[in-house]
This record gives sequence, structure tokens and C-alpha cells, in this order.
Amino acid sequence: DIQMTQSPSTLSASVGDRVTITCRASQSISSWLAWYQQKPGKAPKLLIFDASTLERGVPSRFSGSGSGTEFTLTIGSLQPDDFTTYYCQQYKTYPSTFGQGTKLEIK
Amino acid sequence: QVQLVQSGAEVKKPGASVKVPCKASGYTFTSFTIHWVRQAPGQRLEWMGWINAGNGDTKYSQKFQDRVTITRDTSASTAYMELSSLRSEDTAVYYCARGRKAMDVWGKGTTVTVSS
Repeated sequence: DIQMTQSPSTLSASVGDRVTITCRASQSISSWLAWYQQKPGKAPKLLIFDASTLERGVPSRFSGSGSGTEFTLTIGSLQPDDFTTYYCQQYKTYPSTFGQGTKLEIK
Repeated sequence: QVQLVQSGAEVKKPGASVKVPCKASGYTFTSFTIHWVRQAPGQRLEWMGWINAGNGDTKYSQKFQDRVTITRDTSASTAYMELSSLRSEDTAVYYCARGRKAMDVWGKGTTVTVSS
């Protein structure tokens, strides 16, 4: 199975900051990567697919980049609603696998 | 609007089975795949399998291969995930999600608790 590792596991930041979360795959997944946002007690919400395509309705402060084994999610200017947990997912091969999550906390 | 509606919580005893429904609305059910993903308390998301709602093809994670069955009823626009031989480690929230690759629409989740 392809292992997905996110860093950092926890990130402290302030409203208005620009932050980046990294996701590394244990082998090349081309651009078959998605990013999700999950709030406590809620289902995940798709933010980005195919590594860099913004899902319809997602604010443009979210962006994704990367290919192969290293990917990043950048939030351009943090809003209060953004402080929650983010997951990456590879869907190049099955089983599809997720990262362990990055919790974004208010500093 | 496009949505996936899941049932409420289930409590099962070890060794029992659970069958979780996922009813789709707002789109053509047979045009998409339905995935099942679970999340144990404090854990990462874990993909279990998918079904092609059009032709009924399925693919399962090897971890659950011998215990999970995913089916669909096209007349009811509903997919089902059945997990057998339940154990305490299966206590989790079970989500269905639509998508051919990435999962763009998610149900709210069904909490399954396995306890004697």
C-alpha cells in the first residue's frame, strides 16, 4: 500500500497568516492527490483534487501544488473558519490511502 | 441538491454484522462510484471499498476483503455497506462518498459501536 505522511501534524498560526502543509507519498502517485478539510464531528469536505484543481465553491485562498511524491496545500490568508484538520488522499492505486492529518490551531 | 443520506447510529455485539445504507439524491445515481470510508475515534480516514453504481463492480481494501460487502439498489438510488464478524476495533464512523477518484460529496456518517 502507498503510505501518505503529512507534516506537520500540528500547526499553530494566526488569522491572516499564510500556511503550508506538506504531504509525501511513499511512491510516485503522479498528480492523483486530493486535499480535504474536516471539522470536528463532520464529514470531510473536498478542497482540491488532481493535486492542484480547486473544487467548485472552495475559496481561492486555498491552493495545491506538487506531483510525484511531494505535495503542498497552501492557505493564503487564514480565516477563523480555517482552523481545523486537513487530510491528503492518494487515489492512484487502491487501496486509496489518507495522511494522518494536520491540525491547524490558533496561535 | 446533491446529497448522500445515511442512517443513524448502530450498536452491535461482537461477532454480529451491520448493514449501513447510503441514499443518493440530486444526481444520476448510476453515473458515479460510491466509496465507503471509516474513521475510528481520533484516527485517520480509512478507505474500505467502492462500488460502481452503474454496473455493480466492486473493489475492496484487502484489509476488509473477507468481511465487507458493498451492494447497491439502483431502483432506490441506495448503496449499502455490510461488515461482518464485528469486533471492538470496528467501532467507528462509517461514511459513504461519491466520486470517480476524489470524493466530492459525503454523507454525514453512521456511527457504529461494537460493544458487548
